[in-house]
Amino acid sequence: EIVLTQSPGTLSLSPGERATLSCRASQSVSYNYLAWYQQKRGQAPRLLIYGASSRATGIPDRFSGSGSGTDFTLTISRLEPEDFAVYYCQQHGNSPYTFGQGTKLEI
Amino acid sequence: EVQLLESGGGLVQPGGSLRLSCAASGFTFSDYAMSWVRQARGKGLEWVSGIGAGGERLYGDSVKGRFTVSRDNSKNTLYLQMDGLRADDTALYYCAKGFCGSDICYWATDHWGQGTLLTVSS
Repeated sequence: EIVLTQSPGTLSLSPGERATLSCRASQSVSYNYLAWYQQKRGQAPRLLIYGASSRATGIPDRFSGSGSGTDFTLTISRLEPEDFAVYYCQQHGNSPYTFGQGTKLEI
Repeated sequence: EVQLLESGGGLVQPGGSLRLSCAASGFTFSDYAMSWVRQARGKGLEWVSGIGAGGERLYGDSVKGRFTVSRDNSKNTLYLQMDGLRADDTALYYCAKGFCGSDICYWATDHWGQGTLLTVSS
């Protein structure tokens, strides 16, 4: 199975700043099928990005994804107060469709 | 509006069995892959199992041989039969829906239920 390693584990920033989250795969992700999810406390995850760089329906354009092969990045251009949450990457190219361990974005 | 409602969680002894259900509405259930994802308290997400629109069944390494995923398209319901339960299966189990773009369908999940809690303990 593909192991996804997210860094950093915790990212401390302020509203208005730029956030850069990393996800590294143990082997190349097929078709660059890498997704990003946001999860707030007590809520189910929400899909942000799929296929490495495609925004899901209704996701603001301050969220962007990039990368290919084994290295992927989620960028939040200008942090809003509601963006402080835990972010997970998931590869959806090869079963089992593994998740990373998460990055906590905190104020 | 897409809705996914999980049920069937509860307290089970180690070695026991349980079946989870996920009732889907608001979309053509038979057209989409469906997944089960779990989350232990305070921990990250773990993809458990999935079933494709065509019936392809897939499993995570930790549950292979113990869990069985199925779907009943006539009832718009997804199931997860869990046998040989262990303490480390204790988690909130989410049902999640795959989605399709203009010409391709994905295993990434665009809608999630609120989960059903499984506790495995003696």
